[in-house]
Amino acid sequence: AQSVTQLDSQVPVFEEAPVELRCNYSSSVSVYLFWYVQYPNQGLQLLLKYLSGSTLVKGINGFEAEFNKSQTSFHLRKPSVHISDTAEYFCAVSRVGSQGNLIFGKGTKLSVKP
Amino acid sequence: EAQVTQNPRYLITVTGKKLTVTCSQNMNHEYMSWYRQDPGLGLRQIYYSMNVEVTDKGDVPEGYKVSRKEKRNFPLILESPSPNQTSLYFCASSPRLGDHTEAFFGQGTRLTVV
Repeated sequence: AQSVTQLDSQVPVFEEAPVELRCNYSSSVSVYLFWYVQYPNQGLQLLLKYLSGSTLVKGINGFEAEFNKSQTSFHLRKPSVHISDTAEYFCAVSRVGSQGNLIFGKGTKLSVKP
Repeated sequence: EAQVTQNPRYLITVTGKKLTVTCSQNMNHEYMSWYRQDPGLGLRQIYYSMNVEVTDKGDVPEGYKVSRKEKRNFPLILESPSPNQTSLYFCASSPRLGDHTEAFFGQGTRLTVV
């Protein structure tokens, strides 16, 4: 079975500062990895995904993530955050060859302060 | 516009009164699923469907039913709601079985059972 751990439930940061949201996963088989963002009172939107190839993945809104197989991590980064990045971020995995079922972490609330 | 539409967005009901939350997608996606989101628990899959007339249990199916009579619709049915089903519910769809390009989420349905 797969599981996802998001190490920080809340991350406060000042505007224009860099941020890293941590995600570790556990799986005995190969997985696909995703980051989703949920803005207040909205559904989830895909930020980026890792399926194969380059371990550095770039997504929307200036976010990027790096897949590290040896550390089973997929941390999300942004070099300079904006107030509008305030949202909840979810890391998710899907087992390669599965029906595409997503296993989500518990989420990290990013709060960007002026 | 490509979208997943859930109705209603908000619902307050009483224990034991049957209810249905509708979900419709206009992207001709084969794969659809329902999640519930609870504070500190992230999103957990309730049921999923790989195509018309094909449904299966997710991680937390107890107390829920689904049907997939048409490709575009995937209603979630609570035959006898209980207070522990108070939650935020999301419907999602994906292009095809095993396709990991993206899962599209609805805006969510906030259900309160009193």
